[in-house]
Amino acid sequence: SAVISQKPSRDICQRGTSLTIQCQVDSQVTMMFWYRQQPGQSLTLIATANQGSEATYESGFVIDKFPISRPNLTFSTLTVSNMSPEDSSIYLCSAQSGTGYQETQYFGPGTRLLVL
Amino acid sequence: ILNVEQSPQSLHVQEGDSTNFTCSFPSSNFYALHWYRWETAKSPEALFVMTLNGDEKKKGRISATLNTKEGYSYLYIKGSQPEDSATYLCAPTGGGNKLTFGTGTQLKVEL
Repeated sequence: SAVISQKPSRDICQRGTSLTIQCQVDSQVTMMFWYRQQPGQSLTLIATANQGSEATYESGFVIDKFPISRPNLTFSTLTVSNMSPEDSSIYLCSAQSGTGYQETQYFGPGTRLLVL
Repeated sequence: ILNVEQSPQSLHVQEGDSTNFTCSFPSSNFYALHWYRWETAKSPEALFVMTLNGDEKKKGRISATLNTKEGYSYLYIKGSQPEDSATYLCAPTGGGNKLTFGTGTQLKVEL
């Protein structure tokens, strides 16, 4: 398993500003991911954070809006850029552990973002 | 994998009741199904990873079954306790690393 921490745990931001969320894993992991949960919606994958290369974004998410860094095997950041109220969500990072059919993603506690 | 449905959306039970809820998913291109429990202000907690048709897994008072041919999984909680109050999420995967989450079943166990 993996223990994951996130900073900040919550924030209230003004529209047009940017927020960077940090994710720290207690062990080296190959795969890290960023998700968001908008109010009333399911957890949705934003992107896969690749160590040493550009993140892989899911349909509907772009690098200019959600730049991601992954400088090493234990750390990643997600920036929410030029925020609008529609970006108000819970943002979670996860790390994958295990192999084959026992691969499991372990999640951080989330960052609760409110954009005014 | 798209179209993951969980029912009911929310559930209120009394302490000591047993309960169950459903996760439905397309049966084609199935690889594994994950169940998570997510308590407010905490990290989603991995409960089970299920892969085989007919599989049944158990963790304390919580168990789950899997039917990959018809595309559903049941989660059961026996003798519900207030600490079981949480949102229960399922996420099938078609291989690779992408989890597609349902909207969850929000369980409230009342004294």
